[in-house]
Amino acid sequence: QTVVTQEPSFSVSPGGTVTLTCGLSSGSVSTSYYPSWYQQTPGQAPRTLIYSTNTRSSGVPDRFSGSILGNKAALTITGAQADDDSDYYCVLYMGSGIWGFGGGTKLTVL
Amino acid sequence: EVQLVESGGGLVQPGGSLRLSCAASGFTFSRSWMHWVRQAPGKGLVWVSHINSDGSSTNYGDSVRGRFTISRDNAKNTVYLQLNSLRAEDTAVYYCASDKGYAFDIWGQGTMVTVSS
Repeated sequence: QTVVTQEPSFSVSPGGTVTLTCGLSSGSVSTSYYPSWYQQTPGQAPRTLIYSTNTRSSGVPDRFSGSILGNKAALTITGAQADDDSDYYCVLYMGSGIWGFGGGTKLTVL
Repeated sequence: EVQLVESGGGLVQPGGSLRLSCAASGFTFSRSWMHWVRQAPGKGLVWVSHINSDGSSTNYGDSVRGRFTISRDNAKNTVYLQLNSLRAEDTAVYYCASDKGYAFDIWGQGTMVTVSS
């Protein structure tokens, strides 16, 4: 069974840029997987950031951007802020009515 | 206001059943695909189930297929998740979410299900 992969943790300095990735244990991610990204802070429901690879959800600042980098989907945060300190999850549509979450990346801003 | 509100969570014994509800408002529910996603304590998000707009097509994750059933009532703007044969590993916060472009769009606040004797 193909697994969706993410870096377990990442750190970035305030004002810095960080790119989180979302891959597959077997194969390459393309736009056909409709990659999407979510932000979650402890005790809160997830918040949708990006869908269909690179479309920002309503109200999401443009310092969050999505793309395909090589064989992975990517979420780039430009000008990181303290409140970006969160867990980030990617989701891929695996086809045949099945969706898969990555394990999540814990981003620390310090 | 666009929102989803889950209810029906609680404490249930192993092998028991529970029905979760998710009431939608502020958007055209009858045209929206819907999902359930869960998160065990201290763990990541896991997709559980999907239903299309008229309820004619449903899909499930491997860990719940055959035990959980998703359904909807478009007249009541509500999607349901029937949980049967519950196990300790089903303990989680259950979120409903609407679909947009094969992604999750609007999220509810979640309802906690605890499976324990």
